[in-house]
Amino acid sequence: QSALTQPPSASGAPGQSVTISCSGTSSDVGGYNYVSWYQQHPGKAPKLIIFDVSKRPSGVPDRFSGSKSGNTASLTVSGLQAEDEGDYYCGSYAGSNTVVFGGGTKVTVL
Amino acid sequence: QVQLQESGPGLVKPSETLSLTCTVSGDSISSYYWSWIRQPPGKGLEWIGYVYNNGYTKYNPSLKDRVTISVDTSKNQFSLRLTSVTAEDTAVYYCARPRIVGNTSGAFDIWGQGTMVTVSS
Repeated sequence: QSALTQPPSASGAPGQSVTISCSGTSSDVGGYNYVSWYQQHPGKAPKLIIFDVSKRPSGVPDRFSGSKSGNTASLTVSGLQAEDEGDYYCGSYAGSNTVVFGGGTKVTVL
Repeated sequence: QVQLQESGPGLVKPSETLSLTCTVSGDSISSYYWSWIRQPPGKGLEWIGYVYNNGYTKYNPSLKDRVTISVDTSKNQFSLRLTSVTAEDTAVYYCARPRIVGNTSGAFDIWGQGTMVTVSS
């Protein structure tokens, strides 16, 4: 069970969009529609922002969207705002009641 | 609302056992798969394992030889034991709950604040 692969960093100007990739295998990302995304600010616990590839929990702005193609999932943040700056992690069901996370992507709002 | 609170020693000596407890308030510990997740300083998240209220457990294969997660329904708590710790086990340890009853797909919507555990002599 290897960690999912995310780019270490991504950035965009306010109002622009940024997309973060999350690469796995057919045993995790590609095999199930159970990809989730988390936002984490310094010193805080992660916050769930996307589940089941593309669904948003109540209260999460629709600026956050998720998708998947093959073994790669993506998170897009549209209309970037200063408060979107932070670390973003993907997670996936990996079969047999196990879960795997990505290494995280630091998003900077320029 | 549901709240999770981790507790336990913040410092553990190498080769000893790390023990943490998560207290659940605002909900019964029944029906969910309760999880431990850790985050080494400056690094990503690592899922440690699940426990269900009947004692069923599932662990990360990379840790399964050293980890035990248990549940105490009478106290609405679940616990983590990690044996033979090294510096690589230094991390913030979170307890977490998935968003759906009886679900193990990994979408965790309730998290504790996290507790920092340092392994050092």
